[in-house]
Amino acid sequence: EAGVAQSPRYKIIEKRQSVAFWCNPISGHATLYWYQQILGQGPKLLIQFQNNGVVDDSQLPKDRFSAERLKGVDSTLKIQPAKLEDSAVYLCASSSPTGAASSYEQYFGPGTRLTVT
Amino acid sequence: TQLLEQSPQFLSIQEGENLTVYCNSSSVFSSLQWYRQEPGEGPVLLVTVVTGGEVKKLKRLTFQFGDARKDSSLHITAAQTGDTGLYLCAGNTGGFKTIFGAGTRLFVKA
Repeated sequence: EAGVAQSPRYKIIEKRQSVAFWCNPISGHATLYWYQQILGQGPKLLIQFQNNGVVDDSQLPKDRFSAERLKGVDSTLKIQPAKLEDSAVYLCASSSPTGAASSYEQYFGPGTRLTVT
Repeated sequence: TQLLEQSPQFLSIQEGENLTVYCNSSSVFSSLQWYRQEPGEGPVLLVTVVTGGEVKKLKRLTFQFGDARKDSSLHITAAQTGDTGLYLCAGNTGGFKTIFGAGTRLFVKA
């Protein structure tokens, strides 16, 4: 079974530029998550999708961040304009909501390391 | 605001030593996961614990869920250099919500 795919793996941009990250979850996983992980910290949830609907985006800085999952499969996270403090690893994860404890088990992609200069 | 506190934040030990890391909260969780993350990679699921007092073993790793389902511990016996990484706990609440701790960074020296 293929894992969660993310691209690009690395991105360097200047502040005020825009950037987009792509994620393809594990086939059949209805729930998709985007996390921001700053060096030395745990992942911080940015947005959670159930199919193509948003479950939680309470920590998404909506003035500059946006995300979509139009067909309920792959997803794009965009930052426009980027700030220096956006430098972080952006992780995508997916899970399969079966209603059991395993529903919460998340499978992560390798992440995209963003550096804003 | 629900918080998961992990301790210690950083641990450096010699190969062959034993260690325990902790994950604590004032909130009750329906279940809890432990993940390990290596540099440049995403977290990888190690285990899920569900029942209060539950103990699960994965080779040299022993995971315990507190009786009240508010805390958990991970014990590693005879640590190896391959155990080096960031250990994250994640607590599950209702509505398919999960909160992550900040992690314990473990370094095992040869």
